[in-house]
Amino acid sequence: DQQVKQNSPSLSVQEGRISILNCDYTNSMFDYFLWYKKYPAEGPTFLISISSIKDKNEDGRFTVFLNKSAKHLSLHIVPSQPGDSAVYFCAAYTPNTGNQFYFGTGTSLTVIP
Amino acid sequence: NAGVTQTPKFQVLKTGQSMTLQCAQDMNHNSMYWYRQDPGMGLRLIYYSASEGTTDKGEVPNGYNVSRLNKREFSLRLESAAPSQTSVYFCASSEMLGTEAFFGQGTRLTVV
Repeated sequence: DQQVKQNSPSLSVQEGRISILNCDYTNSMFDYFLWYKKYPAEGPTFLISISSIKDKNEDGRFTVFLNKSAKHLSLHIVPSQPGDSAVYFCAAYTPNTGNQFYFGTGTSLTVIP
Repeated sequence: NAGVTQTPKFQVLKTGQSMTLQCAQDMNHNSMYWYRQDPGMGLRLIYYSASEGTTDKGEVPNGYNVSRLNKREFSLRLESAAPSQTSVYFCASSEMLGTEAFFGQGTRLTVV
């Protein structure tokens, strides 16, 4: 039973435009969310996080939005660059469910020059 | 600054063979993890170690054992490999449970 879902397996965006990656979750007890970026043949690398007490967190070109009532978070990348082409995973955590992060299935982003 | 180092990077096993995946981190992190990544499944937690001397099952522990050898090292053992264990395995570490993890480069394991 997938508790964290990324319903778009892939996304293509023109360089310079905004990329919006979406993530939905089912467990209302999740209170900490992360985004990871993964290049082929490498491990995931941490990108940005958000706590459930916030609805927005910004780090340079990356902004994560959290809508707790909809159990939805999104990652905005502005402006998108070709080097952003990678697979993006969202992950959610609560200490109340096995002390683990639950990962989505990933969205493959391609930024077209 | 190596971060998290996994060995080997690639491995082919025959059904029934055993092997140990090694992982070491140099960030003085307390918590360590083993994940597997399968197509369409995201990353799933196999086992984790909250701190030196402790290990706990994750979401998919069957067929695996782990050892937290010391604060730096966390190994994953397949006692009798099965084709269903064909996957990419990632080791990760974090300062403590519930904080962002740093991942190794992965081990691509094929069981034939």
